[in-house]
Amino acid sequence: DQQVKQNSPSLSVQEGRISILNCDYTNSMFDYFLWYKKYPAEGPTFLISISSIKDKNEDGRFTVFLNKSAKHLSLHIVPSQPGDSAVYFCAASYGRGAGSYQLTFGKGTKLSVIP
Amino acid sequence: DGGITQSPKYLFRKEGQNVTLSCEQNLNHDAMYWYRQDPGQGLRLIYYSQIVNDFQKGDIAEGYSVSREKKESFPLTVTSAQKNPTAFYLCASSIRGSAGELFFGEGSRLTVL
Repeated sequence: DQQVKQNSPSLSVQEGRISILNCDYTNSMFDYFLWYKKYPAEGPTFLISISSIKDKNEDGRFTVFLNKSAKHLSLHIVPSQPGDSAVYFCAASYGRGAGSYQLTFGKGTKLSVIP
Repeated sequence: DGGITQSPKYLFRKEGQNVTLSCEQNLNHDAMYWYRQDPGQGLRLIYYSQIVNDFQKGDIAEGYSVSREKKESFPLTVTSAQKNPTAFYLCASSIRGSAGELFFGEGSRLTVL
């Protein structure tokens, strides 16, 4: 049972335009959401996160939106740059007691930014 | 520089052999994790450890074993009981209670011949 879903395996966007990556989740206990960026043959790197008490978080060109009622979040990249081409993973977590958290990852969306 | 070091980067194994993947961190993080990534799949949790001398099974622990004798080190052994060991393995660490902001190593690619 996939608790975090990224339904688009790939996305192509023109340089300078907006990239929108989507993520849905099913577990109502999730209260913290993250996006990671991954280049081939490297480990993922943390990009941006959002707590369930917020509906938007911005960091430079990256904005994450959270719609709790729809159990949906999205990552907006504006403007998109060729260096943004990577696989983006959506992840979610909740506290499991004693300071323990586990991340549940989606399958990823491969973003290609075309110059 | 602080970070996570995984070794080897590439590893080949014959069927029936056990192999151990190394993971070392100098970030002074309490928690460490092992994930597996397969093509077209997300990262799946194999084992995690919140503190020295303690570790817990993740979602796909069968065929794997770990130890956590030192805070800095969390080696993963892929045993012959693991049916499909060929994959990209990622080690990560975090501050305990950080709600999931993980720092990842560069990964180790294991291929079974």
